[in-house]
Amino acid sequence: GAVVSQHPSWVICKSGTSVKIECRSLDFQATTMFWYRQFPKQSLMLMATSNEGSKATYEQGVEKDKFLINHASLTLSTLTVTSAHPEDSSFYICSAYLSGGSKNIQYFGAGTRLSVL
Amino acid sequence: DAKTTQPPSMDCAEGRAANLPCNHSTISGNEYVYWYRQIHSQGPQYIIHGLKNNETNEMASLIITEDRKSSTLILPHATLRDTAVYYCIALNNAGNMLTFGGGTRLMVKP
Repeated sequence: GAVVSQHPSWVICKSGTSVKIECRSLDFQATTMFWYRQFPKQSLMLMATSNEGSKATYEQGVEKDKFLINHASLTLSTLTVTSAHPEDSSFYICSAYLSGGSKNIQYFGAGTRLSVL
Repeated sequence: DAKTTQPPSMDCAEGRAANLPCNHSTISGNEYVYWYRQIHSQGPQYIIHGLKNNETNEMASLIITEDRKSSTLILPHATLRDTAVYYCIALNNAGNMLTFGGGTRLMVKP
């Protein structure tokens, strides 16, 4: 299958700092990427849809000024958690959408574990 | 997208077939059935998807009932590394937004 790379895999930061997470589709171009958040023992929750060259679409309850998304190229989307606080500690996962005929599939990155002290 | 229902957990003996059911009784004609799995602390992994015909790939087989109201994911020879949460999702092929439910936590035991 297609490969999606997510970096970093784990980050620990102090409260108040900003953290940037990168999501790259390595062997295909992705007009659309997605950002999810997952708390322990819960399912994935969609945060936002990232579209190349346009503004991201955020799900209800997700603060767009808190979670900045940039999708500047067809292979890279970034999520920046601004002024992170302990309640932002979570597992963040990106996916990239590969479309083509009946093979419309989202491929996921390995996730980024964010721990805010 | 149609709602799917899965049992919260299942056990399977190593080396045996794991059969994971999914109910999607309100699925519409243009919605595909997608299966993903998530191994602990990793991102979800695509397994297989289908519309109405049975599908097989190197990972699994997908059996969809004739009325399309339910399906079964089959892992033919489960290994300990198949222990994961398995998600069944119904999605219009023109759509691209996956909504994850609770999934089935499959525990493969020695």
